[in-house]
Amino acid sequence: DSGVTQTPKHLITATGQRVTLRCSPRSGDLSVYWYQQSLDQGLQFLIQYYNGEERAKGNILERFSAQQFPDLHSELNLSSLELGDSALYFCASSARGGRAGELFFGEGSRLTVL
Amino acid sequence: QKEVEQDPGPLSVPEGAIVSLNCTYSNSAFQYFMWYRQYSRKGPELLMYTYSSGNKEDGRFTAQVDKSSKYISLFIRDSQPSDSATYLCAPSEGNTGFQKLVFGTGTRLLVSP
Repeated sequence: DSGVTQTPKHLITATGQRVTLRCSPRSGDLSVYWYQQSLDQGLQFLIQYYNGEERAKGNILERFSAQQFPDLHSELNLSSLELGDSALYFCASSARGGRAGELFFGEGSRLTVL
Repeated sequence: QKEVEQDPGPLSVPEGAIVSLNCTYSNSAFQYFMWYRQYSRKGPELLMYTYSSGNKEDGRFTAQVDKSSKYISLFIRDSQPSDSATYLCAPSEGNTGFQKLVFGTGTRLLVSP
């Protein structure tokens, strides 16, 4: 158990809809990362937050947005969903001063868009 | 060209075999080289971490980095069925507080008893 909690584990929705994925980082971790994993693209970095502020952006679509709240949990909002958004969405956290490259991943939220 | 390339496999070996998993990368600024292991229906977990070129050994696992050829390897000795998983290489520039990892697509390993 990595200590990172993601909900929901599975989500099925229709095209055009909006969903929210939630992540609680490990206790004490200030950084939260969101990744998208699909079969053909692998793990793609979407966005990082550090202590409530956006720190870095990757290949995140304009239809997607995220935020980190004062209690450090984070939410990833996906809107105007398309079939191609079906993927596993992972949240990860890292410790300040931890080993370079060490991310602790949750078990993911599997999104299916029909 | 992708920044990190990995053969997707699957790679099937018998128990006890020596396994070699490889990645190539294009960004010469990468300095930290990670291997993550991902079991089915789970999130990736850090397996090995290497800085710059050279070898690092941890039990049955050895990570090797050749920066001159931009080639990363992970060797598993005496492979076990419990090693069956997807292995992702993830290099990083590592020079900021942001853990900017670039993941390969992963190689699926199957170790049969």
